Amino acid sequence: GAVVSQHPSWVICKSGTSVKIECRSLDFQATTMFWYRQFPKQSLMLMATSNEGSKATYEQGVEKDKFLINHASLTLSTLTVTSAHPEDSSFYICSANLGPGTDTQYFGPGTRLTVL
Amino acid sequence: KQEVTQIPAALSVPEGENLVLNCSFTDSAIYNLQWFRQDPGKGLTSLLLIQSSQREQTSGRLNASLDKSSGRSTLYIAASQPGDSATYLCAAIPRGGTSYGKLTFGQGTILTVHP
Repeated sequence: GAVVSQHPSWVICKSGTSVKIECRSLDFQATTMFWYRQFPKQSLMLMATSNEGSKATYEQGVEKDKFLINHASLTLSTLTVTSAHPEDSSFYICSANLGPGTDTQYFGPGTRLTVL
Repeated sequence: KQEVTQIPAALSVPEGENLVLNCSFTDSAIYNLQWFRQDPGKGLTSLLLIQSSQREQTSGRLNASLDKSSGRSTLYIAASQPGDSATYLCAAIPRGGTSYGKLTFGQGTILTVHP
């Protein structure tokens, strides 16, 4: 089956620094990837849709200048949390599907971000 | 705006019991509905996907049903095992267009199966 990986699996950083999270589709090409955020004991909330070769589209309330998304190739999307603060500490998960018209989304294992 | 609710929030059962997890959604114009499992600190594992034209899907001890008219889906787990302990999430998948691929998740049901 399709596999999505994320790197790193966890990261701890100081307040004010920037953190980059990678999402890769290992055995398929993904023109669209999705970034979700999950706070403790809460469900996943969609942050943005990452489109290969074009700008990401952000959900309402998500700051595009704080959460920079780059989808430079058909197998890689990156999420950069700029000037991270403790309230950005969360579990970030990406997903991808096999393309328009396909159903199942495949999720990465997630990245645990802790900002001190 | 789609809202997805899962009941109960938590469930603890002895091993061997059959159990039902409930998921309801407010907008019945969904494309598909998907059930996931999430272990603590881990990502999501897809369990079952029910297309809008289907009524149910089965995989092993799992059976998921979908009733679009009432905005409900259930996940039935037969003969539960301690290894089934996890958080179970349902997600509504909208139809295409600008909403393509944007899943709306419920808050999840935390299942504990004790020996």
